[in-house]
Amino acid sequence: DTGVSQNPRHKITKRGQNVTFRCDPISEHNRLYWYRQTLGQGPEFLTYFQNEAQLEKSRLLSDRFSAERPKGSFSTLEIQRTEQGDSAMYLCASSLGLGAGYGYTFGSGTRLTVV
Amino acid sequence: TQLLEQSPQFLSIQEGENLTVYCNSSSVFSSLQWYRQEPGEGPVLLVTVVTGGEVKKLKRLTFQFGDARKDSSLHITAAQPGDTGLYLCAGLYGGATNKLIFGTGTLLAVQP
Repeated sequence: DTGVSQNPRHKITKRGQNVTFRCDPISEHNRLYWYRQTLGQGPEFLTYFQNEAQLEKSRLLSDRFSAERPKGSFSTLEIQRTEQGDSAMYLCASSLGLGAGYGYTFGSGTRLTVV
Repeated sequence: TQLLEQSPQFLSIQEGENLTVYCNSSSVFSSLQWYRQEPGEGPVLLVTVVTGGEVKKLKRLTFQFGDARKDSSLHITAAQPGDTGLYLCAGLYGGATNKLIFGTGTLLAVQP
């Protein structure tokens, strides 16, 4: 297993366009998370899947954002009608659990720039 | 609102110096983790602490969990340029056990 893979690494889009990001987690990890990070700040939670079920969504996730994890494998994060404020690094992480003995494995992220 | 405040926000030091990074909250953590993130990459897990007062060492890095499990510190001895990066604490709270809440981050630059 090569870890968590995110594509694309970089995306530049015009304001108002839709974008979709993909995350391929570690295959045996049932938990998958999406976070958003602006430069020099800590990641902010967006949403969480356990297998194919989306169990939690942040209030940060407006109705322009949607995430899916069909069949409990890869996940996609779509942003519709992008705004300049959406410019950030979007991080995906997977894990087997949380707490002692468990941690997140992050992908390298997708850097979104909205112009 | 950030539940986990880190200080300092930014630290620039010379190779060989020692430093301490702090992570504070008004809430009690069930566990806390420290991550390091290099530019253009995702964070990488360094350590997990669970018990109040716990101390863990990872080579030149020493991690301490506060007795009340509301704060933590990371001490680096004889910093090296390879220690440069964004250091993040992340905690699990009793009321939010499905996900990690990350701190505000400390950006460390070690000059050769």
